[in-house]
Amino acid sequence: QKEVEQNSGPLSVPEGAIASLNCTYSDRVSQSFFWYRQYSGKSPELIMSIYSNGDKEDGRFTAQLNKASQYVSLLIRDSQPSDSATYLCAVVMNRDDKIIFGKGTRLHILP
Amino acid sequence: KAGVTQTPRYLIKTRGQQVTLSCSPISGHRSVSWYQQTPGQGLQFLFEYFSETQRNKGNFPGRFSGRQFSNSRSEMNVSTLELGDSALYLCASSLGHSGETQYFGPGTRLLVL
Repeated sequence: QKEVEQNSGPLSVPEGAIASLNCTYSDRVSQSFFWYRQYSGKSPELIMSIYSNGDKEDGRFTAQLNKASQYVSLLIRDSQPSDSATYLCAVVMNRDDKIIFGKGTRLHILP
Repeated sequence: KAGVTQTPRYLIKTRGQQVTLSCSPISGHRSVSWYQQTPGQGLQFLFEYFSETQRNKGNFPGRFSGRQFSNSRSEMNVSTLELGDSALYLCASSLGHSGETQYFGPGTRLLVL
């Protein structure tokens, strides 16, 4: 199993709908999780961090963490064309404190 | 507060040459991490420096090296460049260690011919 796995996509979602992005990780005791957004030709920018089981909301974004299932997700409500980007999931590995990034999911919001 | 800066932004080199990339973290940040990003491999961790010491290292050959200065600025060096080293090199800074939120610079795009 890869350390951090994401579906590469592209994931196409109609404008105004909810986009759901998923990420699984291998280190059972990881404690820190991040979602980054990366537009084409740009560097990653942080959207959300989450450390505890459950949901964390910030505007149109909700991060969900389930440590028992080793699963973290990002929901984007009321999707906008400007949300079209690659979304990177990042997990801090407890064994060595390294941040491991998934390869990202390309999201395309259809106008 | 100024963000993370990286120089140069673009670079063209030939095989066998060496290159040095520079990163200035956000003021007050003491940790700098370096990543290589390619379409096929995604974002791969190179190394992290904290208070002038290498704290963590990824799975890259010894041709890739780095250092951090007392003002937290960091440099990354790649010797004996190979075609496969063509990539976007990103640095990210954080207040403390890598478990905290990282803020990325704009990157240096390296092309090896």
